[in-house]
Order: sequence, then structure tokens, then C-alpha cells
Amino acid sequence: QVQLVESGGGVVQPGRSLRLSCVASGFSFSSYGMHWVRQAPGKGLEWVAIIYHDGSVKYYGDSVRGRFTISRDNSENALYLQMNSLSGEDTAVYYCARDGASGSGGGFDYWGQGTLVTVSS
Amino acid sequence: IVMTQSPDSLAVSLGERATINCKSSQSVLYSSNNKNYFAWYQQKPGQPPKVLIYWASTRESGVPDRFTGSGSGTDFTLTISSLQAEDVAVYYCQQYYGTPYTFGQGTKLEIK
Repeated sequence: QVQLVESGGGVVQPGRSLRLSCVASGFSFSSYGMHWVRQAPGKGLEWVAIIYHDGSVKYYGDSVRGRFTISRDNSENALYLQMNSLSGEDTAVYYCARDGASGSGGGFDYWGQGTLVTVSS
Repeated sequence: IVMTQSPDSLAVSLGERATINCKSSQSVLYSSNNKNYFAWYQQKPGQPPKVLIYWASTRESGVPDRFTGSGSGTDFTLTISSLQAEDVAVYYCQQYYGTPYTFGQGTKLEIK
């Protein structure tokens, strides 16, 4: 079965960096685009970034562009999010999600359980 | 593309119909394949979102048939035909027509 497991969250000081990971299993990882989506405590969903199946194309949300970098290692079935210059507004649960439209579905068809990033001094 | 849901919250009696609306600031219908790049998600407390409907009206495998998505272009509706206790959740609409992919603000559905 499809599984996405995030890790790397924690408490970090403002201005510092953090790298999140998402390990995928149960599907052909290299065939799918992948997303990061975040959710601040008690708030709605905010799309963060997408990377195409082969890593050739990346897009970012306005609030993270220039500070965050999405990447992937298809040999390790892993997705990453490098987050720099963090601020309190980046405090959120970060989810990785599979792009359903890369396959026979649509939307974001599988999600991990999320990893909490707290930016605080 | 801005996605606006209505209402923000909704209380419905068990067994009754629940209707949630979503309006996009521009069309999410891709003319070359006649598909609406639009989805509905359900999120229960402490859980990640779960896709219910994609391409505006295609039900995800395993989703009960009481959930129906309709609409095209800029106006979409999620209908729960007979509300069950397990449907209490926050529901989000989303466009994946173009980046940045955007979600609605969410609609909190409760039992009356």
C-alpha cells in the first residue's frame, strides 16, 4: 500500500534552517510528481511546492519562494524540503503528498501524517 | 487563483443533506481535455486531508457514494446526501489548474 512518512520537524530558532524528508513506499515513486503542503496550527491548508517526477521542474508558493528548496532522490524514494531563513510564520505541520494527476487519478491522492515545525526562540 | 468556500461552517441533522459551495476566481476548466482541475478534501481532527473528489466529480476509490461533486468552470458543489456521524470534519476545495495550487479556507461541518 502507498505510504508517505515525513521526518525532520522540530523546534528551530528564527533565521535558522531545517530540512524535512519524506520517504515513499508502495508505488513507483519516480513516476509521480510530489508536493509539500503545510498547515499552521488551527488554520487551513497552504500549498508549498511541487517537484515533477524526474526533478526537472519545481514550483513554489509565494510565501516560500527564494527560501525553501524542494528536491528528490528517486534512487532512495525520498522527497526533501530545505527550509532556510525560517520565521514564526513558517510554524506548521508539513505534509508531503503525491500528485494524483501524475497517474490515473487527480488532486493530491495520498498524504503523509505530517511533521511539525515550530519556529521559536 | 483564489478559492472561496461557503459557508464557513454548517450544522446539519443526521440523515439530512449537506451542501458546500466553492467558487474560483478564474476558470479551472482546461479546454484541451475538458477537465476541471478541481478537488474536494475531507480533514478530520489530527489527521491529514483525504481526497474525496477529483476532476470536480470523480469519486475517489473507497469514498461512499453519498458524497457527490458537481460544477464546472468557476462554481463547484460538494453534496453529502445523508449526513452520517463520521462525516463531521473540515472540508476543503482545491484547484490544481495552475501554480500556486490553492485551497479554499475550509468549511467546518457539524451535527445539528
